[in-house]
Amino acid sequence: DTEVTQTPKHLVMGMTNKKSLKCEQHMGHRAMYWYKQKAKKPPELMFVYSYEKLSINESVPSRFSPECPNSSLLNLHLHALQPEDSALYLCASSLHGARYEQYFGPGTRLTVT
Amino acid sequence: AQSVTQPDIHITVSEGASLELRCNYSYGATPYLFWYVQSPGQGLQLLLKYFSGDTLVQGIKGFEAEFKRSQSSFNLRKPSVHWSDAAEYFCAVGAGSGGYQKVTFGIGTKLQVIP
Repeated sequence: DTEVTQTPKHLVMGMTNKKSLKCEQHMGHRAMYWYKQKAKKPPELMFVYSYEKLSINESVPSRFSPECPNSSLLNLHLHALQPEDSALYLCASSLHGARYEQYFGPGTRLTVT
Repeated sequence: AQSVTQPDIHITVSEGASLELRCNYSYGATPYLFWYVQSPGQGLQLLLKYFSGDTLVQGIKGFEAEFKRSQSSFNLRKPSVHWSDAAEYFCAVGAGSGGYQKVTFGIGTKLQVIP
């Protein structure tokens, strides 16, 4: 299994809603990542988890709250988002070590109304 | 800090023609270099990677890239483009720390393939 899955594929939420994005992999990867990608832009790193511990937070607003409950699962909890947070949210995973490439999921298309 | 420059935002080639996408990087040590491809609304797929060794790297879908340290370049090539190659291509440089890899992407090159 060389796949990273993300659910849901699409999400529309109001600014007062609470929702969560889910990412799962069964490749034994111990590093997991969240990226945000706006239209016609490259992905921007948000968070990195290494062995289920948060290693990098790229100064992301607190309305985004990551969680890594086990080595296969990564969540991104969303609360009180702004319309400018509308984007494609990508999850990735890699083996533990700097020389290993990241495998990306298909993304969740988020629209904040 | 590492950085990546993709000088061509948009490239149009005819189906069957050869392709070269340019990428220049900036990094203090030997870099980890990647090319990813993204179809509209999709995730990123790794085409190829360079860590060390042979400077000509073969990837999937008939792509190859050449690492040139003297020019700080990692250009992507394909001898004959297919219509299905139309997509966005990202060059990226990775730096490792603490067991994970922090990747910096270039701005991307959008490839259009015409009949």
